[in-house]
Amino acid sequence: EDKVVQSPLSLVVHEGDTVTLNCSYEVTNFRSLLWYKQEKKAPTFLFMLTSSGIEKKSGRLSSILDKKELFSILNITATQTGDSAVYLCAVETSGSRLTFGEGTQLTVNP
Amino acid sequence: DTGVSQNPRHKITKRGQNVTFRCDPISEHNRLYWYRQTLGQGPEFLTYFQNEAQLEKSRLLSDRFSAERPKGSFSTLEIQRTEQGDSAMYLCASSLWGNMNTEAFFGQGTRLTVV
Repeated sequence: EDKVVQSPLSLVVHEGDTVTLNCSYEVTNFRSLLWYKQEKKAPTFLFMLTSSGIEKKSGRLSSILDKKELFSILNITATQTGDSAVYLCAVETSGSRLTFGEGTQLTVNP
Repeated sequence: DTGVSQNPRHKITKRGQNVTFRCDPISEHNRLYWYRQTLGQGPEFLTYFQNEAQLEKSRLLSDRFSAERPKGSFSTLEIQRTEQGDSAMYLCASSLWGNMNTEAFFGQGTRLTVV
């Protein structure tokens, strides 16, 4: 059975801190790994990673994939209160179904 | 096109009643997915369509659940004889699959409460 595990499950930081969210996976027929941000509504897409070692960046967010060790990290630098959300990691397998982790609840305090 | 649209946004129903949800995907997307999300958990895959064909169903999808996408555009998810354990957020997503693949875009979800 495909499995995605995220850690930590929750994290509380102060504005300006840097955070690293972890995602490990055990799946068959890996196609890609995706990160989503969810703020009490629809998950919104952040990154799609298919190749090992290539960092993807968008503003203060960045992510990288290690297909040998089967994990990914999502970094957020200079956190802001608007970054408070659940961050979901999902692995796409054949048939393009997504298997999600439980999510990391990030709270950024002013 | 404003993205994936789901209706209703909220539904409260009595145990034993049938409910139906609708999803309108992004217009050019040929794949449509249904997921279920309970509090504190990530979304769980239920089923997906490519055009009008239902290609995969999860073991989570009991025989009380049925999904259709009759013309390859909008989709409906029906739950018959609802149970309290069906209370969850039901998310629809769509993507383009073919020569150029896109990531899945999610709708706002339908929150079902069975009382």
